[in-house]
Amino acid sequence: GAVVSQHPSRVICKSGTSVKIECRSLDFQATTMFWYRQFPKQSLMLMATSNEGSKATYEQGVEKDKFLINHASLTLSTLTVTSAHPEDSSFYICSARDLLAGETDTQYFGPGTRLTVL
Amino acid sequence: GQNIDQPTEMTATEGAIVQINCTYQTSGFNGLFWYQQHAGEAPTFLSYNVLDGLEEKGRFSSFLSRSKGYSYLLLKELQMKDSASYLCAVRDSNYQLIWGAGTKLIIKP
Repeated sequence: GAVVSQHPSRVICKSGTSVKIECRSLDFQATTMFWYRQFPKQSLMLMATSNEGSKATYEQGVEKDKFLINHASLTLSTLTVTSAHPEDSSFYICSARDLLAGETDTQYFGPGTRLTVL
Repeated sequence: GQNIDQPTEMTATEGAIVQINCTYQTSGFNGLFWYQQHAGEAPTFLSYNVLDGLEEKGRFSSFLSRSKGYSYLLLKELQMKDSASYLCAVRDSNYQLIWGAGTKLIIKP
């Protein structure tokens, strides 16, 4: 199946700093990537939909100035958590939609990034 | 509103069969997905159903009834490594994925 990578896998930072998370589709092109966060024992919560070459679409309640998303190419999207606070600590997961998947249009997930803000 | 229901937790015995149900109420339907998620890891794709019926893939099968808004994931010959959460997700008319909260499956020897 298609491979999506995320970097870093784990990051610990001080409150007030910014953290950038990269999401790459390694063996396919993805015009659309999705960013999720997941709290322990809870389902995935879609934060934003990232389209290559255009502005991301944020879900209601997600601050676009706090969670900056850039999708500069068909294989790379980045999420920057600006001025991180302890409540931003979470598991952030990206997924990418395979352009050529056709009807199945499956989303493939990256391995996730565990963010801990001290 | 849109809603996906699945049991919170299930327990089964190694070597046995288990069926995880998922019912949904969404604005439109463009396919149903099952994902497996081990603790601390991201979900991995298991199956996709868009037409009624059973899709079989090795030890895993997924069934869909669109008229009943119902799906199940059937796992046969359970192995200890199948202990994980199983997420049901429905793609609605806007092509958005609506996620269930997941079913934690515990396999006992």
